Amino acid sequence: DTEVTQTPKHLVMGMTNKKSLKCEQHMGHRAMYWYKQKAKKPPELMFVYSYEKLSINESVPSRFSPECPNSSLLNLHLHALQPEDSALYLCASSPNEGHNEKLFFGSGTQLSVL
Amino acid sequence: GQQVMQIPQYQHVQEGEDFTTYCNSSTTLSNIQWYKQRPGGHPVFLIQLVKSGEVKKQKRLTFQFGEAKKNSSLHITATQTTDVGTYFCAGPKQGAQKLVFGQGTRLTINP
Repeated sequence: DTEVTQTPKHLVMGMTNKKSLKCEQHMGHRAMYWYKQKAKKPPELMFVYSYEKLSINESVPSRFSPECPNSSLLNLHLHALQPEDSALYLCASSPNEGHNEKLFFGSGTQLSVL
Repeated sequence: GQQVMQIPQYQHVQEGEDFTTYCNSSTTLSNIQWYKQRPGGHPVFLIQLVKSGEVKKQKRLTFQFGEAKKNSSLHITATQTTDVGTYFCAGPKQGAQKLVFGQGTRLTINP
């Protein structure tokens, strides 16, 4: 299994809602990532987990809350988002953390905040 | 901070023409990666270059890493409609264990 699975594929939420994005991989990868991608822009790193511990937080607002329940799962909890948070949210994994590691991306969650 | 600059931003070609995208860094890179993102899709890893002056080929795609390890290129020979998408280079951020993506080159093809 060489896939990173993300759910849901699409999400529409109001600014007062609470929702969660989910990501799963069964490749035995020890590093998992959340990226945000706006239309026609490159992916921007949000969070990195290494061995289930938060390794990097790219100064992301607290309305985004990551969670890594185990080595295969990564969640992103959303609360009180703003319309400008609308974007494609990509999960990725790699065998280990590091800038020389190949990233495996999921198909993303297209989020719209109304 | 260290950035990876990519040009051109857009490229439109006739099917069968060649295509090249360039990636430049102000600092020496330990490695560079290339990804392809199809319209409506997600980035997919293509290749990683590590050695100075390295050249790697994948069918019609040729990847090069500069001698100074500050620039890289991706060349596609005789483009096909399946090559449509955005090509990103990604290099390590200096002093950090993470990749920084270039702005991408969006390739469109006239069949």
